[in-house]
Amino acid sequence: EDQVTQSPEALRLQEGESSSLNCSYTVSGLRGLFWYRQDPGKGPEFLFTLYSAGEEKEKERLKATLTKKESFLHITAPKPEDSATYLCAVQVTGANSKLTFGKGITLSVRP
Amino acid sequence: NAGVTQTPKFRVLKTGQSMTLLCAQDMNHEYMYWYRQDPGMGLRLIHYSVGEGTTAKGEVPDGYNVSRLKKQNFLLGLESAAPSQTSVYFCASSYSSSGDYYEQYFGPGTRLTVT
Repeated sequence: EDQVTQSPEALRLQEGESSSLNCSYTVSGLRGLFWYRQDPGKGPEFLFTLYSAGEEKEKERLKATLTKKESFLHITAPKPEDSATYLCAVQVTGANSKLTFGKGITLSVRP
Repeated sequence: NAGVTQTPKFRVLKTGQSMTLLCAQDMNHEYMYWYRQDPGMGLRLIHYSVGEGTTAKGEVPDGYNVSRLKKQNFLLGLESAAPSQTSVYFCASSYSSSGDYYEQYFGPGTRLTVT
């Protein structure tokens, strides 16, 4: 069974304190790994797609990386507006376009 | 572009009542999805559609039905609501091309309470 585990469940950072969010996965065959951001009361917002081990993508203070077993979302010098829940999802070969989501990591950045 | 829109935003039902949630997208996407999101459970796929007139079951389909009569619309129906269906429901859509699948774009959600 395909599984996605995100850790930690919650993370509190001081503004400017860099850190990483982890997404580990166990799948039969990875087609793609997706990161989303979700603000309270809103739908998930797409951030990145990673397709192969070693791939990296960046957007402002965020950088996503991928290995054969896990992905990291690195947050450099976070600001309070980076506070949100970050969701990781995998798309598996042979499963059409379906995504399997992790439970999310709630990030809180204090000014 | 409005992207993915959902109607209604909030709804309260009594046990046994029925309702339909409407999802509309203006991105000409082939694929559409319905998820539910519950505390501690993450997003779970209810039903999805790979094109007009087609639907398929996801991870948690029991108690729900769907229809995709038009490419831009995907309807989720609850025939006899139960308190266990209290949740936030999200619709999403995605593009596909030659067997490649791309990111899903989500609507703002519908918060449903069943009493």
